[in-house]
Amino acid sequence: AQSVSQHNHHVILSEAASLELGCNYSYGGTVNLFWYVQYPGQHLQLLLKYFSGDPLVKGIKGFEAEFIKSKFSFNLRKPSVQWSDTAEYFCAALSSNTGKLIFGQGTTLQVKP
Amino acid sequence: DVKVTQSSRYLVKRTGEKVFLECVQDMDHENMFWYRQDPGLGLRLIYFSYDVKMKEKGDIPEGYSVSREKKERFSLILESASTNQTSMYLCASSLLGDYNEQFFGPGTRLTVL
Repeated sequence: AQSVSQHNHHVILSEAASLELGCNYSYGGTVNLFWYVQYPGQHLQLLLKYFSGDPLVKGIKGFEAEFIKSKFSFNLRKPSVQWSDTAEYFCAALSSNTGKLIFGQGTTLQVKP
Repeated sequence: DVKVTQSSRYLVKRTGEKVFLECVQDMDHENMFWYRQDPGLGLRLIYFSYDVKMKEKGDIPEGYSVSREKKERFSLILESASTNQTSMYLCASSLLGDYNEQFFGPGTRLTVL
């Protein structure tokens, strides 16, 4: 079955630390990839997305992600986190075969001031 | 900005009650979706709709039904609520096509006693 897997369920960092959240997907065909973020008490919102072209994608608030096709990965990175980045992060993949968006389990990021 | 609204932020119902969750979007999107969000499981698709009066089952449709009588409104129905349906329910909408991001509502936290 098609799936998306996020390696880290709960990450705790100090401010200014670097962040990398892992995401792997199981599709073999064309896939579109997303990272969504849910800040405490707020809507789920899009951080960045990859459809084609440059595998390094830049999103809002200094986040970026790199699509590595050979590793079926789409890891999220930020060089220096802030307390305001405390949130839950979801990786998702849209399969062109099914048209469905499949989400990973989510990673809770806690940034200590 | 796209706005997706859900009728209630918090809802408490009793086992066996019929529950209606309403979702409205104001951007003339063709696609609408219902997900449930549970800790450690991410978001799972319950039902989606590509057009008025059209519906497709997602990954976990058992115990749920939906209704889409108007383009802007997508309702999720729990015919006979059970305690295992206690969850956060998220509605989303998007334009037709594979490459369009989904916009999410604020969620309804349903507790079934």
